[in-house]
Amino acid sequence: GIQVEQSPPDLILQEGANSTLRCNFSDSVNNLQWFHQNPWGQLINLFYIPSGTKQNGRLSATTVATERYSLLYISSSQTTDSGVYFCACPSVGKLQFGAGTQVVVTP
Amino acid sequence: EAGVAQSPRYKIIEKRQSVAFWCNPISGHATLYWYQQILGQGPKLLIQFQNNGVVDDSQLPKDRFSAERLKGVDSTLKIQPAKLEDSAVYLCASSFNSQETQYFGPGTRLLVL
Repeated sequence: GIQVEQSPPDLILQEGANSTLRCNFSDSVNNLQWFHQNPWGQLINLFYIPSGTKQNGRLSATTVATERYSLLYISSSQTTDSGVYFCACPSVGKLQFGAGTQVVVTP
Repeated sequence: EAGVAQSPRYKIIEKRQSVAFWCNPISGHATLYWYQQILGQGPKLLIQFQNNGVVDDSQLPKDRFSAERLKGVDSTLKIQPAKLEDSAVYLCASSFNSQETQYFGPGTRLLVL
């Protein structure tokens, strides 16, 4: 199956800072999703982005399918952005999740 | 629109006991998923239903885990008997079909002592 690698594993940000999270995948995909898992464990869909760029408020994502990576940008981070960010790709009919990036935003 | 509902939210049991989790998907969603998320890892698919049929249960430990979705709506996941390594969050998700975005419930945190 497909391998999904995320970097960095951990990120500490001061409120207001910008950051970029990366997701590499080992095979071509027809979709890719980014999720945010908040400190209470709820997984929330951020983007469904097989290719191109999408923006939602302070978050945006870009997937370059031909080069097998996706980037998630957080701008002007807030404490509510804390949590774990996962990317996931379909593999043999199921979603394969990366190990996640743990983000802590300090006031 | 109501989201995916799960219960209970928390459960503590002793090893060798049995436990059951319940999931109610978003109305109209034909595809339902159960995931296991061990601390520090991403979710791992246990079983996928399309309506009331099983699409994929290749990673379900069938000697102790079972799941059903008898009427194609609600689903239950059971563990019998539980082991220490089953301590995890069990997440239910649903989607309109298997190609669409998955929406996750709040999860059930299981601790096996």
